[in-house]
This record gives sequence, structure tokens and C-alpha cells, in this order.
Amino acid sequence: DTEVTQTPKHLVMGMTNKKSLKCEQHMGHRAMYWYKQKAKKPPELMFVYSYEKLSINESVPSRFSPECPNSSLLNLHLHALQPEDSALYLCASGGPGDFTDTQYFGPGTRLTVL
Amino acid sequence: GENVEQHPSTLSVQEGDSAVIKCTYSDSASNYFPWYKQELGKRPQLIIDIRSNVGEKKDQRIAVTLNKTAKHFSLHITETQPEDSAVYFCAAKSLYNFNKFYFGSGTKLNVKP
Repeated sequence: DTEVTQTPKHLVMGMTNKKSLKCEQHMGHRAMYWYKQKAKKPPELMFVYSYEKLSINESVPSRFSPECPNSSLLNLHLHALQPEDSALYLCASGGPGDFTDTQYFGPGTRLTVL
Repeated sequence: GENVEQHPSTLSVQEGDSAVIKCTYSDSASNYFPWYKQELGKRPQLIIDIRSNVGEKKDQRIAVTLNKTAKHFSLHITETQPEDSAVYFCAAKSLYNFNKFYFGSGTKLNVKP
């Protein structure tokens, strides 16, 4: 199974709402990623978890809060977002290390902040 | 840190022609180079990758070449078809920062029937 799943597919929220994005993989990967992607741009790294510990935070504003409850799940909690945060949010997973470094993306959550 | 540059930004070819997309990288410690295809509204999909101990890899109509000395790698698509139309991203990953992928800016490929 080489699939990463994400829910919801679409999300519309106001600037005062709190919502969460969810990601799941069952490939035994120990690295999980959150990316933000704007139209016609490459994915932009936000966070990396390695063995359920946050290993990279690319200076993301605190209104984005990641969580890795276990090796298969990754959440992104959203609070007090701005309209410029509207984007496609992609989750990915891969092996941490030199020999299992292929990265697989989920289908993404299309987020609109009103 | 690593810097990956990708060219061209757009590429139009006639169906059946070949397409070549080139990327350069700056960090000589980078040792893994994947290529992703992203169709409109879809996820980036890994189409081919190459590791630094290999100079070329081929999978049917798609091939990737790597020149470690010059620090560049290229995607070659032969006998292009309309369904090859998409945005293609190259990426690089360092041996020493192995959780982080550095992406090129993307190439929009348009295959005209």
C-alpha cells in the first residue's frame, strides 16, 4: 500500500475558526511532512516529524500547530488563520535515512480562509 | 543550504516529440534526486528518481540523467503524449539533512495533439 490519505479534501473556514487537517499512512514510514502549496508554485515545507518527534519547523507562524499522535497519523491544527493562508496543504511520508528516502504525497486539503 | 534551479519554466512540444527539463543543484552532498509530476488539482506524483551512485535511469518513455561533476540532472520524456501535460518538479535531498527535500520551481509542460 503506497497511499497517503488526507481529510478533508476541501475546507472553508473563517478567520476565527479552529479546524484540523488529518493525514494517515500505513507504509511504515517514520518521517511525515506538511507542505503548503500555492498555485503554480512548488510545495513549501512547513514541518517534518521523524520518529514522531518534530525535527524541522520552517519558521511557520504559531497559528499552525502540528501533532503526530503515532507513527501513522499526522495532524495540522489551524487557528486564527489569515486569507493568505488559503492554499493546498499536502501531507507526505517517507523513510528517514539514506536508503528509504522516497517521499509519497497525499491528495491534499484545499483550504480557503474567508 | 541547498538551492535547486529548474529550467525552462514552460515547455510546449508537439505530440510525439521529446521533452527535456533540466535542474541544477548547489550542495555537493545531495545524493537523491526525485522527479514529480503534478496534474491540475492533483497531488505531486513520483515518476522517477535517481541516486548519486548512478548516472542514468530509464523507465519506459521517461529517463533521468545525473552529472555529479556539473551538479545537474535532467528529465527526458520521449514520444510525448497529451496526457504528459502537467507541471514537473525536480527535487534534491542531502546526505546530511536527509529529512528535507529542496524543490525546483517547476516546469509546465504542454503537449499539443
